Amino acid sequence: GAVVSQHPSWVICKSGTSVKIECRSLDFQATTMFWYRQFPKQSLMLMATSNEGSKATYEQGVEKDKFLINHASLTLSTLTVTSAHPEDSSFYICSAPSASGSGGTDTQYFGPGTRLTVL
Amino acid sequence: QKEVEQDPGPLSVPEGAIVSLNCTYSNSAFQYFMWYRQYSRKGPELLMYTYSSGNKEDGRFTAQVDKSSKYISLFIRDSQPSDSATYLCAMFKAAGNKLTFGGGTRVLVKP
Repeated sequence: GAVVSQHPSWVICKSGTSVKIECRSLDFQATTMFWYRQFPKQSLMLMATSNEGSKATYEQGVEKDKFLINHASLTLSTLTVTSAHPEDSSFYICSAPSASGSGGTDTQYFGPGTRLTVL
Repeated sequence: QKEVEQDPGPLSVPEGAIVSLNCTYSNSAFQYFMWYRQYSRKGPELLMYTYSSGNKEDGRFTAQVDKSSKYISLFIRDSQPSDSATYLCAMFKAAGNKLTFGGGTRVLVKP
């Protein structure tokens, strides 16, 4: 149990366009999901906490109007990068806590990530 | 100073050797500790989860937690080339809290 998927796995877009990334918990429900950003050879940087049925909580320095998060159901959160620019190119990863996996309560399980390249 | 410190490596070992990884942390409020393995361009995969001080073993992996010293370790026995990856320690304070990550250690196991 505790499988998290992401779609797409890789996206290339032109500067100025918007890109939507989906994060799904496949075999469990998640009232909370987390969105991370990772640059090459660096650790994960938490961007925001996605809350089902309410507004996301953004980390300091993350523009909420640029990175729109919608957690419309207990199994789906989306991250939309609006008006993307080359500096937004990165690896975006979501995670969701679950007690149904091999870890303990609220262990976070990660999606496979989405590589965004903005030309 | 970062809340969680982890040597970035790279750590290069011959196949069959023991890989020793560790993290130190500064906030005694951290109660739950995890080790993740991340292959290049993939999401992190949970390896070990521990709560109390002491050792926890799972196959070739052993996780150690020393809360008094604020120090956690991961040991990989009989290392294989497929163990080559970045290993991230992570911890959180209470259920529902966000994870705090170490910077990750890159490990290379040479055949």
